[in-house]
Amino acid sequence: SYELTQPPSVSVSPGQTARITCSGDALPRKFAHWYQQKSGQAPVLVIYEDSKRPSGIPERFSGSSSGTLATLSISGAQVEDEADYYCSSIGVSSYHMSFGGGTKLTVL
Amino acid sequence: QITLKESGPTQVQPTQTLTLTCTFSGFSLNTGGVGVGWIRQPPGKALEWVALIYWDDDKRYSPSLKSRLTITKDTSKNQVVLTMTNMDPVDTGTYYCAHCWGVASGTLGYFDYWGQGILVTASS
Repeated sequence: SYELTQPPSVSVSPGQTARITCSGDALPRKFAHWYQQKSGQAPVLVIYEDSKRPSGIPERFSGSSSGTLATLSISGAQVEDEADYYCSSIGVSSYHMSFGGGTKLTVL
Repeated sequence: QITLKESGPTQVQPTQTLTLTCTFSGFSLNTGGVGVGWIRQPPGKALEWVALIYWDDDKRYSPSLKSRLTITKDTSKNQVVLTMTNMDPVDTGTYYCAHCWGVASGTLGYFDYWGQGILVTASS
């Protein structure tokens, strides 16, 4: 199956910009989507199609993609943004979906 | 308002078949571009995509689970059913169903609404 690689953890101080990366061979041709999962809760979509933000998601969340790397940025990270973040995409065959291994964001 | 809810057994014996039902409201699986997917998460581990079914009955399965899975839809009941045969303790985890949109963009779409999940334990 198609592999998406994320760093296991990222740590920032409140007010700093957090950047979480997702690496995949097909990302130059396929969109990446991002999900936030807080402890004990279902995931929430925070970015879709590389850089679009669903309604209700704060503007401090943004996404970008360049080459084989997609990036989720949280500008002015807040303590409430502490969560696990997962990227998702599909392989070149477009037949199967994959999730990255997840990144634990710590804001302290 | 779109909502989804998973139901089914919370405990199964190894080698048994798991049947999970996703009951949804606020959308129709007859609408072009719409899908419903299943995603699971072992305790303390990452999300894993399991299966997807679309409005046109196109079905997609995780390659590593494909031989054990069947996904079906009942549009009259607003339900999607996932069956997984030969359950093993490694299949223990929370199973989520989710509304899928965005297939027209050339991808399989993204999950914009999720159910609360159901914890399934495979153990004797």
